Amino acid sequence: GAVVSQHPSWVICKSGTSVKIECRSLDFQATTMFWYRQFPKQSLMLMATSNEGSKATYEQGVEKDKFLINHASLTLSTLTVTSAHPEDSSFYICSARAGHRGAQYFGPGTRLLVL
Amino acid sequence: RKEVEQDPGPFNVPEGATVAFNCTYSNSASQSFFWYRQDCRKEPKLLMSVYSSGNEDGRFTAQLNRASQYISLLIRDSKLSDSATYLCVVPFSGGYNKLIFGAGTRLAVHP
Repeated sequence: GAVVSQHPSWVICKSGTSVKIECRSLDFQATTMFWYRQFPKQSLMLMATSNEGSKATYEQGVEKDKFLINHASLTLSTLTVTSAHPEDSSFYICSARAGHRGAQYFGPGTRLLVL
Repeated sequence: RKEVEQDPGPFNVPEGATVAFNCTYSNSASQSFFWYRQDCRKEPKLLMSVYSSGNEDGRFTAQLNRASQYISLLIRDSKLSDSATYLCVVPFSGGYNKLIFGAGTRLAVHP
């Protein structure tokens, strides 16, 4: 149980392109999902908390107009990186809480390379 | 004090060794704690959850010391496959939503 999928696993795009990443909870419902970013040799940094049926909560320093989050159902959250630039190149990982104790289960991540 | 601090590593140990990692946290209200492992270029995977004084799962033992605000992870009889980065994770402000990740401790088990 507690399987999270993420798609796509790899994206290479030109600067200025918008990129959409999907995160799905496969065998459970998730009212809350999380989006993280990880640069090489650095720890995971929470970008935003995605709430089903309401607006996402963004961490300080994360531009909500740059990173659009939509959580339209209990099993799907999407992150759109708008007008991506090379500095947005990173490993984007989503997670979802399962159970009442707070553990999060992660998707396999999406590697974004903006040329 | 950082919210979560870990031994920086790397720990280089031979197969069969016992290795322990420590992690300190600043929020005394935290109720649950987690250890994740992350392999290179992969997502973190939940290794253990710690809700009371400790937890044991096979070769892995996690202990919690609330008075001193630290969590430890002990790995006995290390295997080559244990080589990874181990992340200490603490809920933010005692709640079950946001998690704060430590920077991780790298373990390399060699033959």
